[in-house]
Amino acid sequence: GESVGLHLPTLSVQEGDNSIINCAYSNSASDYFIWYKQESGKGPQFIIDIRSNMDKRQGQRVTVLLNKTVKHLSLQIAATQPGDSAVYFCAEVYNNAGNMLTFGGGTRLMVKP
Amino acid sequence: NAGVTQTPKFQVLKTGQSMTLQCAQDMNHEYMSWYRQDPGMGLRLIHYSVGAGITDQGEVPNGYNVSRSTTEDFPLRLLSAAPSQTSVYFCASSYSGTGRPGANVLTFGAGSRLTVL
Repeated sequence: GESVGLHLPTLSVQEGDNSIINCAYSNSASDYFIWYKQESGKGPQFIIDIRSNMDKRQGQRVTVLLNKTVKHLSLQIAATQPGDSAVYFCAEVYNNAGNMLTFGGGTRLMVKP
Repeated sequence: NAGVTQTPKFQVLKTGQSMTLQCAQDMNHEYMSWYRQDPGMGLRLIHYSVGAGITDQGEVPNGYNVSRSTTEDFPLRLLSAAPSQTSVYFCASSYSGTGRPGANVLTFGAGSRLTVL
């Protein structure tokens, strides 16, 4: 079946460096993608989203890139801070599934001081 | 504060016992859902509802029942708990519809950690 997955289960970066978290998706019909951040003991929180008619979207210190040719999604975090340490999930939505999101397995980001 | 409220936060059950996980949201969201989160498995959809009186099955519905009598509440029932249901459960809600601002962006509760012995 269709699935969303991540390339790296754990990413360790130095404080101040940029982080890149990757995600591969297989459903070419997906038209909306979301990144969530989950801190220990909490529920996932929305970070940023992107529609399939875009290839880049920027937020505060975060950028999401979408490459539909290779079905790849990435989350870039600039100047990574200790508070960015968390598990990051990508999720995809396709229209015929309404609000149903398909989540990837998650990547743990560890920020070293 | 506005958001999704889940209770209880922690629960230990014996095999065969029943219980209900409560979920309430005060954002007037049409869509509500339950996910379970297991190590290495990400978030898997159990049941969802697109509005009061309407529920449907997700990816892993077996062993769980839901109902949606009001817009605000979406309880998840385990009729006969099994060790395989040991997990962290998340309730999430959002506006419905495509193209509508905020649609599909789920707001999650803090989670309910369930252990079945």
